[in-house]
Amino acid sequence: EVQLLESGGGLVQPGGSLGLSCAVSGFSFSSYVMSWVRQAPGKGLEWVSIISASGGTTYYADSVKGRFTISRDNSKNTLYLQMNSLRAEDTAVYYCVKKVSSGYAPFDVWGQGTTVTVSS
Amino acid sequence: EIVLTQSPGTLSLSSGERATLSCRASQSVSSSSLAWYQQKPGQAPRLLIYGASSRATGIPDRFSGSGSGTDFTLTISRLEPEDFAVYYCQQCDTSYTFGQGTRLEIK
Repeated sequence: EVQLLESGGGLVQPGGSLGLSCAVSGFSFSSYVMSWVRQAPGKGLEWVSIISASGGTTYYADSVKGRFTISRDNSKNTLYLQMNSLRAEDTAVYYCVKKVSSGYAPFDVWGQGTTVTVSS
Repeated sequence: EIVLTQSPGTLSLSSGERATLSCRASQSVSSSSLAWYQQKPGQAPRLLIYGASSRATGIPDRFSGSGSGTDFTLTISRLEPEDFAVYYCQQCDTSYTFGQGTRLEIK
């Protein structure tokens, strides 16, 4: 069974840092592009970042560029998101998602999400 | 940035009725890059349609997608009780963006 299990969410003060992890099982992790998508309370979905299968290529939404870093460890089947200089507007559920393939392809598998709250 | 605008914001229908949801892009996108997702309260989104018109694995055939260029449509032919949810379109033609969602509620 394909599973994506996020962890690391919690309460953090503005300006603080937090690291999210996503443990993957049930498919060949090292073969797939992975991404993070977030959803603020009561709001819609916002793409955050994406990383190639090898980890060599990354992209970020303008809203997090320079503050967030996506990475992966294919030997551990784990995706990461390091979040620095956090702001109130980063408060959201963060989903780890798998892309069907590179190129024009949707996100076909989603984790259950981990909640990040940025507040003093 | 490509902006996706979904309409209506809320759609109130009864079980058995036909639902038509619209997604309009601010500029033309490849049909191959357009997907639809369903999200129920407290759950992660689920992929319904990709490539504008292809159903994802396990999705019932009452769900269908169509469109090209800037105008795309998700149609649910006969609503079942489990179909009442929020629906998002998404493009991956240029970066990645989602529409703001259409809430499909029971009338």
